[in-house]
Amino acid sequence: DTEVTQTPKHLVMGMTNKKSLKCEQHMGHRAMYWYKQKAKKPPELMFVYSYEKLSINESVPSRFSPECPNSSLLNLHLHALQPEDSALYLCASSQGPSGSFEETQYFGPGTRLLVL
Amino acid sequence: GQQLNQSPQSMFIQEGEDVSMNCTSSSIFNTWLWYKQDPGEGPVLLIALYKAGELTSNGRLTAQFGITRKDSFLNISASIPSDVGIYFCAGPFSNFGNEKLTFGTGTRLTIIP
Repeated sequence: DTEVTQTPKHLVMGMTNKKSLKCEQHMGHRAMYWYKQKAKKPPELMFVYSYEKLSINESVPSRFSPECPNSSLLNLHLHALQPEDSALYLCASSQGPSGSFEETQYFGPGTRLLVL
Repeated sequence: GQQLNQSPQSMFIQEGEDVSMNCTSSSIFNTWLWYKQDPGEGPVLLIALYKAGELTSNGRLTAQFGITRKDSFLNISASIPSDVGIYFCAGPFSNFGNEKLTFGTGTRLTIIP
């Protein structure tokens, strides 16, 4: 099983809402990632969790709050977002700790977020 | 920050044609990855390259790790409709001791009926 699942697939939220994106993998991977992708642009790294600990935060605004409840789950909590935060949010996982790029990063299908 | 430049930015070809695209960097990379992304989906890894000069195939796809370690090439032979999508190169980049995956600017492939 090389699948990373993400829910929901689509999300529309207002600027005052609180919502969460969820990501799950059952490959035994110990590194998990959140990326943000705007239309016609490459994915941009937001956060990396390695062994359930936050190892990289790419200066992401605090209205995005990641959480790793266990080695299989990764959440992204959203609060007071802005319209410019509308994008495809991708989750990925890899076998090794952050930096071990000999292991493949497997991506989920993404959550398409629209902030009104 | 580090940027990987891909060319061409977009390609319009007929079914059955061969496709070539490349990815260049101003810095040396030790790993090159090629991903394909379909609309509304996440990137899917096509080929991984770990050694300068390495030539690796995956079906109709062939990728090469440039000898200078600053570039990589992806070729698709006898294109078919399902090859349509955006192709990204990617490589690990160290930034203040943290290594992260940096994606190229992408090549959008369209097949003309």
